[in-house]
Amino acid sequence: AQSVTQLGSHVSVSEGALVLLRCNYSSSVPPYLFWYVQYPNQGLQLLLKYTSAATLVKGINGFEAEFKKSETSFHLTKPSAHMSDAAEYFCAVREENSGYALNFGKGTSLLVTP
Amino acid sequence: NAGVTQTPKFRVLKTGQSMTLLCAQDMNHEYMYWYRQDPGMGLRLIHYSVGEGTTAKGEVPDGYNVSRLKKQNFLLGLESAAPSQTSVYFCASSLPDSRGLGQPQHFGDGTRLSIL
Repeated sequence: AQSVTQLGSHVSVSEGALVLLRCNYSSSVPPYLFWYVQYPNQGLQLLLKYTSAATLVKGINGFEAEFKKSETSFHLTKPSAHMSDAAEYFCAVREENSGYALNFGKGTSLLVTP
Repeated sequence: NAGVTQTPKFRVLKTGQSMTLLCAQDMNHEYMYWYRQDPGMGLRLIHYSVGEGTTAKGEVPDGYNVSRLKKQNFLLGLESAAPSQTSVYFCASSLPDSRGLGQPQHFGDGTRLSIL
């Protein structure tokens, strides 16, 4: 089964600073990887996805992620944090044998300070 | 555009009571999923369905049953609620992905369930 590990349950950055949220995957097949964001009391919203078409993936709200096979990583970055980026972020890998269900990491809570 | 709608949004139950959570999607998606979210655990798959009339177990199916009588609806039932089922429940839906496009899942806003 495919799985992901998110390093750091809480990350704090200053407004305007670089955002880096880490995700490492484990998969026996080429993975489909996703980053979702969850704002308080809301559902999950897709930020971006990796489907092997390109290793650098651009998403919404200025986020991007780079797929590195050699490091089995798919870290999420944003050059300049905004207060509105404060949320919970989930990395997920698609499970190919369970109706394309997602296996989620435990999440990283991003705090943005003024 | 409603997308994925979950009802109810909040519910408090007593141990042993039963209830059904309803998920409805208006995107004509074939695949539907139920997840539960617990603090520090991420989301875990309870059951899923790849089409009308079909369901399958996920990672944490015990204590839950599901039905997919209509393509647009996916029901999650708790026959005898237990405090361990206190959680936030999310429904999601997606298109099939035979072409390898990485069809994303679309999520509802969740149902917050407390069992006393």
